[in-house]
Amino acid sequence: GIQVEQSPPDLILQEGANSTLRCNFSDSVNNLQWFHQNPWGQLINLFYIPSGTKQNGRLSATTVATERYSLLYISSSQTTDSGVYFCALKANNAGKSTFGDGTTLTVKP
Amino acid sequence: EAQVTQNPRYLITVTGKKLTVTCSQNMNHEYMSWYRQDPGLGLRQIYYSMNVEVTDKGDVPEGYKVSRKEKRNFPLILESPSPNQTSLYFCASSLFGTGGSGEKLFFGSGTQLSVL
Repeated sequence: GIQVEQSPPDLILQEGANSTLRCNFSDSVNNLQWFHQNPWGQLINLFYIPSGTKQNGRLSATTVATERYSLLYISSSQTTDSGVYFCALKANNAGKSTFGDGTTLTVKP
Repeated sequence: EAQVTQNPRYLITVTGKKLTVTCSQNMNHEYMSWYRQDPGLGLRQIYYSMNVEVTDKGDVPEGYKVSRKEKRNFPLILESPSPNQTSLYFCASSLFGTGGSGEKLFFGSGTQLSVL
């Protein structure tokens, strides 16, 4: 199956700082999504981004499918950005999905 | 409100006592899936369903059963729970199983299961 590697595993920032989270994957995919799991355990879909770049407020994501990686950018981080960020992938025309182990982000006031 | 609803939110049971975790979505989604989340292991897929009466195994299906008799419901059944099934379980759905942005996943709030 697809191998997914996220880095860094942990990240501690001061409020207002910027950060880049990375997701590397081992095979071609047609479905890549980024999720935020908040400290209460809720999983929120941030982006559906199999290729290209998308932006939503302070967050943006870029996927370079040919080089098998995706990046999640968080600018001007806030304490509410704390939590775990996951990337998830599905191979072409497949129902099976694979999640990375996540990046735990802590934003300090 | 569009949502994926799981019940119960918390469940404590004993080894061998059959249980069902319910999952329902009100978005007319074709695709539904179950995941378990364990510390340090991310989310692992248990079973998924591309549509009514169509289910398939994910990466960790052993000890679990599912059914998809109606589009909106996708219950997870543990026939004989064991302590290694203690975990946080999530149900998710998307409009389609394959095909562009319709694959965007929406998650329920999770069920914390403890098997003693």
